[in-house]
Amino acid sequence: GESVGLHLPTLSVQEGDNSIINCAYSNSASDYFIWYKQESGKGPQFIIDIRSNMDKRQGQRVTVLLNKTVKHLSLQIAATQPGDSAVYFCAVLTTDSWGKFQFGAGTQVVVTP
Amino acid sequence: DADVTQTPRNRITKTGKRIMLECSQTKGHDRMYWYRQDPGLGLQLIYYSFDVKDINKGEISDGYSVSRQAQAKFSLSLESAIPNQTALYFCATSGGSDEQFFGPGTRLTVL
Repeated sequence: GESVGLHLPTLSVQEGDNSIINCAYSNSASDYFIWYKQESGKGPQFIIDIRSNMDKRQGQRVTVLLNKTVKHLSLQIAATQPGDSAVYFCAVLTTDSWGKFQFGAGTQVVVTP
Repeated sequence: DADVTQTPRNRITKTGKRIMLECSQTKGHDRMYWYRQDPGLGLQLIYYSFDVKDINKGEISDGYSVSRQAQAKFSLSLESAIPNQTALYFCATSGGSDEQFFGPGTRLTVL
């Protein structure tokens, strides 16, 4: 079955610095990946996605990198701001999962002034 | 207005009570999902529905049931609540793309 994990439960980053959040997955049939942001008391919010035919995708201040060789996904946040403080987690979809994602447990990002 | 709404947002109940959590969406999506979230764990799928006549069990369906009353409505019931069902519950929807859109969540406490 799918195993999805995050490397660090908490990431403390200084305002203005870049943040990198990692996610590992185990199923080589994984073909769609999403990063979600979850603020306290709110539902998960889509940040960026990437399909397995790509290895990099950029959004506004965010970049997702996909390394299929080692089954690793990362989210980079440029110039981290206080509003970026939240839990970030990855969601992984495999070709045979019929729309059912596997979710990582999340990394708590704490932005310090 | 929010695209995916959940009611109630918070609920405290006692062991053995029947509880219903409701989810409504205005996105016109066919697919709807119920998840629970526990501290330190990823979202776990309880039930999902790909259209009004389709209901499927997820990873942790025991102790739960669902009803898809219409395309826009998907409710989750706990027939006899127990303390280890204390969790955050999220409803989600998806349409033509695979992306899932989440509601704001319901915090359920079972005493």
